[in-house]
Amino acid sequence: AQSVTQLDSQVPVFEEAPVELRCNYSSSVSVYLFWYVQYPNQGLQLLLKYLSGSTLVKGINGFEAEFNKSQTSFHLRKPSVHISDTAEYFCAVSRAAGNKLTFGGGTRVLVKP
Amino acid sequence: NAGVTQTPKFRILKIGQSMTLQCTQDMNHNYMYWYRQDPGMGLKLIYYSVGAGITDKGEVPNGYNVSRSTTEDFPLRLELAAPSQTSVYFCASSPLAAVDGLEQFFGPGTRLTVL
Repeated sequence: AQSVTQLDSQVPVFEEAPVELRCNYSSSVSVYLFWYVQYPNQGLQLLLKYLSGSTLVKGINGFEAEFNKSQTSFHLRKPSVHISDTAEYFCAVSRAAGNKLTFGGGTRVLVKP
Repeated sequence: NAGVTQTPKFRILKIGQSMTLQCTQDMNHNYMYWYRQDPGMGLKLIYYSVGAGITDKGEVPNGYNVSRSTTEDFPLRLELAAPSQTSVYFCASSPLAAVDGLEQFFGPGTRLTVL
């Protein structure tokens, strides 16, 4: 079975500052990795995913994440945040060739002007 | 395409009442899922289905039932509501093939309160 740990439950950040959201996972088999975003009172939307290939993955809205197999991490970054990035962000993992996702507890990002 | 739709958006139940949360997708996805979201806990899988007529338990199935008579619909039933079932419920769907990247598409959620 796999598990996901998001190390920060809340991250306050000023507008135009960079942000990094940390995600670590544990699994004994190959995995696929995802970051989802949930804006207030909405469902989840996919930001980006890692299936294979280049370890640096670019997603929507200027976000990117880097897969580090040796550290079992998949941290999400954005070089300059906007007020509209205020949301909750979820890291998730799926066993490769499986179809069930395991989610982390979420990181709430609050962008301040 | 409407994607994944859920009804109702909000509901308040009394302890012991029953209700069905509706979920419909128009993307012809084989896989469908029900999650509950509690603060600080992320999303927990309740039940999932790999196709019409096939369902299986997830991580937290107790107190819930599902059915999948068509590809489009995947209702979630609460038979005897309890305060512990107060949560936000999300339905999701995904394509069958792993090569599609396993992305799950989520509905807008149903906020349920049991008093």
